[in-house]
Amino acid sequence: ETGVTQTPRHLVMGMTNKKSLKCEQHLGHNAMYWYKQSAKKPLELMFVYNFKEQTENNSVPSRFSPECPNSSHLFLHLHTLQPEDSALYLCASSQDELAGSHPDSQYFGPGTRLTVL
Amino acid sequence: QKEVEQDPGPLSVPEGAIVSLNCTYSNSAFQYFMWYRQYSRKGPELLMYTYSSGNKEDGRFTAQVDKSSKYISLFIRDSQPSDSATYLCAMGVGGQNFVFGPGTRLSVLP
Repeated sequence: ETGVTQTPRHLVMGMTNKKSLKCEQHLGHNAMYWYKQSAKKPLELMFVYNFKEQTENNSVPSRFSPECPNSSHLFLHLHTLQPEDSALYLCASSQDELAGSHPDSQYFGPGTRLTVL
Repeated sequence: QKEVEQDPGPLSVPEGAIVSLNCTYSNSAFQYFMWYRQYSRKGPELLMYTYSSGNKEDGRFTAQVDKSSKYISLFIRDSQPSDSATYLCAMGVGGQNFVFGPGTRLSVLP
């Protein structure tokens, strides 16, 4: 298992539910990322946090709300999602955002498989 | 035209075969070219990356970049059942916004 853990591993929710995804990294990194991976579609970067500050938001709908209380933890709060939001949500971390720009420095977690009914 | 195109497969080969995985892209500014391997129920792990053009070899894996044709390849020699996974190409200019292909699912049959 990598140094990046994600919980839950699977989540089924209705469109009116509110849920949260959790990511924790044990690598001493300072930058964390959320990606969305839909079936047969490319991986999409959603959010970037560097030293707990959000530095990137790739035009993600407001029904996805990230939170980074410290450099080791990252949350993705979900509310009023749509069925097309069903996907694998991956968390990653790197030493810092500058280091993360080098391809060999991002470490991915196993992902949360989200199904929206 | 999509920024990065990759044949989704699935691709099935017998054990010991040479596997060729390919991606094409449209942005001539890309300088970093990566290949990730993603096993079922796991996150992607970086397999190889190259900067600019040329070849890079690591054990049974060889990555090639042809910037003039905007085409990258990953070759796997003496493929093993343990190589069965989805292979993602990714590329970027730098910074965070690497562009990923949709991935090719590979099955190596014993």
